[in-house]
Amino acid sequence: QLQLQESGPGLVKPSETLSLTCTVSGGSISSSSYYWGWIRQPPEKGLEWLGSIYYSGGTYYNPSLKSRVTISVDTSKNQFSLKLSSVTAADTAVYYCARLVTAMVTFDYWGQGTLVTVSS
Amino acid sequence: QSALTQPASVSGSPGQSITISCTGTSSDVGSYNLVSWYQLHPGKAPKLMIYEGSKRPSGVSNRFSGSKSGNTASLTISGLQAEDEADYYCCSYAGSSTWVFGGGTKLTVL
Repeated sequence: QLQLQESGPGLVKPSETLSLTCTVSGGSISSSSYYWGWIRQPPEKGLEWLGSIYYSGGTYYNPSLKSRVTISVDTSKNQFSLKLSSVTAADTAVYYCARLVTAMVTFDYWGQGTLVTVSS
Repeated sequence: QSALTQPASVSGSPGQSITISCTGTSSDVGSYNLVSWYQLHPGKAPKLMIYEGSKRPSGVSNRFSGSKSGNTASLTISGLQAEDEADYYCCSYAGSSTWVFGGGTKLTVL
């Protein structure tokens, strides 16, 4: 059974960079059938797609966040990561990682999410 | 890229049917039959309920169905059960390998 697990600091100071890692178990991140994505949910708000990455490193980002988001992949560790720079309180959210199935054009497996609070 | 519009809340009694709408634009929902629906329970991983507008993943009850008309997609849950109480989100492919989600709908089973 595929599992995704987010990890990283739960508290980040304003203006600093938020960094999270998603560890994939039960399957290979290097499969040509999938992309891997980050999605977030601010408190009392809806979901927001942040970006996606292919195992070879190709990336796609939400245009509204593109200047602040960087997603990378480490196939040797079966992990992919998110960096969000210059954070503000508006970046406080539950951050999810998920698998994107290219044939189905959908996110089929998700992690449980991790809450990141931006506060001094 | 604006969020898809969903009603904030819907409710129904056990056994009844409810429908959740998801309105986008001609750039997303209207252009692609690639709407997914997710069920979110607090503290749990989101669960895929519908993909490609109307297809159910293996293991999802056939009480869940999806459809689309123009720029609006819909999720219908028939034979409501207490366990269906959750938040539901729609998501559409928006072109150029980008995705847009809805604001979410809280389903209450009375």
